This record gives sequence, structure tokens and C-alpha cells, in this order.
Amino acid sequence: GEDVEQSLFLSVREGDSSVINCTYTDSSSTYLYWYKQEPGAGLQLLTYIFSNMDMKQDQRLTVLLNKKDKHLSLRIADTQTGDSAIYFCAVPLGYALNFGKGTSLLVTP
Amino acid sequence: KAGVTQTPRYLIKTRGQQVTLSCSPISGHRSVSWYQQTPGQGLQFLFEYFSETQRNKGNFPGRFSGRQFSNSRSEMNVSTLELGDSALYLCASSPGTVTDTNQPQHFGDGTRLSIL
Repeated sequence: GEDVEQSLFLSVREGDSSVINCTYTDSSSTYLYWYKQEPGAGLQLLTYIFSNMDMKQDQRLTVLLNKKDKHLSLRIADTQTGDSAIYFCAVPLGYALNFGKGTSLLVTP
Repeated sequence: KAGVTQTPRYLIKTRGQQVTLSCSPISGHRSVSWYQQTPGQGLQFLFEYFSETQRNKGNFPGRFSGRQFSNSRSEMNVSTLELGDSALYLCASSPGTVTDTNQPQHFGDGTRLSIL
């Protein structure tokens, strides 16, 4: 199988940018995903990037992909308290998604 | 368009019982996957179905099983429940094709299963 690694915690002040990092071991995936999970809820598909892209921007979200280093990052601009949640990086493995342990983002006023 | 619907939202069972969880995918989606989420192990893949066929199975004992119906709705069953089966069970759907293994998966809110 493949490993997906994320740091467990990140704390930022409201209005700052947040950067959540992810490394993986398999580079054969077509798409790479970021999901968000709020307390008591399922996973919300935030954004995804095609493996032949280096960057994708979607409003406040920017995804960067470094295929050579197998590194994926999610930047949230102007972070708000409503962005407090757990963020998961997900890499396809056949028909399944292999998830990191999740990064818990805490946004303080 | 309605999202992925999972029922029930919460379930309490005792050891040794069995349980059936239900998932209705997004309309038009033909692939359904199931995941188990626990604090210790995180998100782990259980199985994936497409056109009523199980295409892939994760590393779980045979007590965990599933099926998919002709309308793409899916159920998963856990028999002889153990304390360690307490978890959030998440269902995800994607459009699905015969050959494309990599399409965005959309998740439901899950079924929270507690074993006493």
C-alpha cells in the first residue's frame, strides 16, 4: 500500500493564511484530493488537482502539487473561524482512497 | 441534487449482534464505497461496488460484508459485533465507469455505530 502523511495540528489567527501539507508515496494517481470534516459530519470534498498540474486555485483555496517530491499542500487565504475543521489529504489507490490521519485546523479570533 | 444519504445516523448495538447500514448514492452515481473511521486507525477502506459487483475489498474480516442493488443503493452488514467495531461508517459515491478508477468521491454524513 501507500502512505499518506500529514501533520496533526495547525493553529492560525483569523485573517492569516493556513498551509496544510501532505506527502504520499505513490505518484501514479490521476487526481489528488482534499476533504474537510466538521464535527459530527461526513467528509466534504473541498478541491482536487489533476496530477499533470502544479497548481490549482479555487477562490480562497490554492492547491500546490510537487510530483517530484510527492508533496501536496492546501493553502487557505484569509482563514475564518468557520474554517476550523479537520482536513484530509486523499490519494487514490485502485478503487479506494487512501487518507492521511487529518490535520486539525484551529482558527483563533 | 440530493447528496449521499446514509441511514440510520446513529445506532447502538451490543456485542454479538449484527447490523445493517444503508447508503443511497447521488442520483446517477453507480460506484459506492464504504469506509470506517475510528480515532485510532483513521479512515480505512472497506469495499467498493459498481453495477452490483464488488470490485475491491479492504483488509477487514469476513464479518464485514456488503452489497449493491440494481438502483445503485448499497448496504453493508457487520455480523457478530465486537467492541472494536464502534466507529463512524461513511459511504461515498462517484459517477463510476467500467475502466476509470479515479473519480471524485462524495461522502454522506455517516452512521455512528456504538457497541456496548
